[in-house]
Amino acid sequence: GAVVSQHPSWVICKSGTSVKIECRSLDFQATTMFWYRQFPKQSLMLMATSNEGSKATYEQGVEKDKFLINHASLTLSTLTVTSAHPEDSSFYICSARGTSGIQQETQYFGPGTRLLVL
Amino acid sequence: RKEVEQDPGPFNVPEGATVAFNCTYSNSASQSFFWYRQDCRKEPKLLMSVYSSGNEDGRFTAQLNRASQYISLLIRDSKLSDSATYLCVVRGGGFKTIFGAGTRLFVKA
Repeated sequence: GAVVSQHPSWVICKSGTSVKIECRSLDFQATTMFWYRQFPKQSLMLMATSNEGSKATYEQGVEKDKFLINHASLTLSTLTVTSAHPEDSSFYICSARGTSGIQQETQYFGPGTRLLVL
Repeated sequence: RKEVEQDPGPFNVPEGATVAFNCTYSNSASQSFFWYRQDCRKEPKLLMSVYSSGNEDGRFTAQLNRASQYISLLIRDSKLSDSATYLCVVRGGGFKTIFGAGTRLFVKA
């Protein structure tokens, strides 16, 4: 149980394109989802925390107009990188926290999405 | 000072060796502690939670020292498959989670 999927797993796009990444909790309901970014050989950096039905909370230095987050249901959150540029190329990973029990205490990670902006 | 600090390594050890990783955290109000494992180009996976009393899971032992604000992970009888990056993770109030930069381990035959 507690599987999180992400789609797509790979994206290659031209500069200026907007890219949408989906994060789904497949077998549990997630009140909270987290979006991280990881550059090569660096640690995961939390970008934003997304709660179902409310606006996301962005970490300092993360532009909310650049990285649009929508958490419309208890099983789906989306991250849209608007007008992507080469410096946005990174590994984007989402994680989800469940509503009760052990799933509430643990973050379950999606497999990540590799974005390459040319 | 980083909120969570780890020795980046890499640690190069032979199969069967015992290896230990340490991690320090700066926020004394931190509430929960974990070790995650991340394989190259993959997402992190929870290895084990860390409790004040210390806990063991097979070849892996985790310990927490709140007074000194550090966490350790001990791997006994290393296997080739243990090669990965080990992430120290600290969670404070409001479920804010901080990841360390990770310690890379290479286990050689």
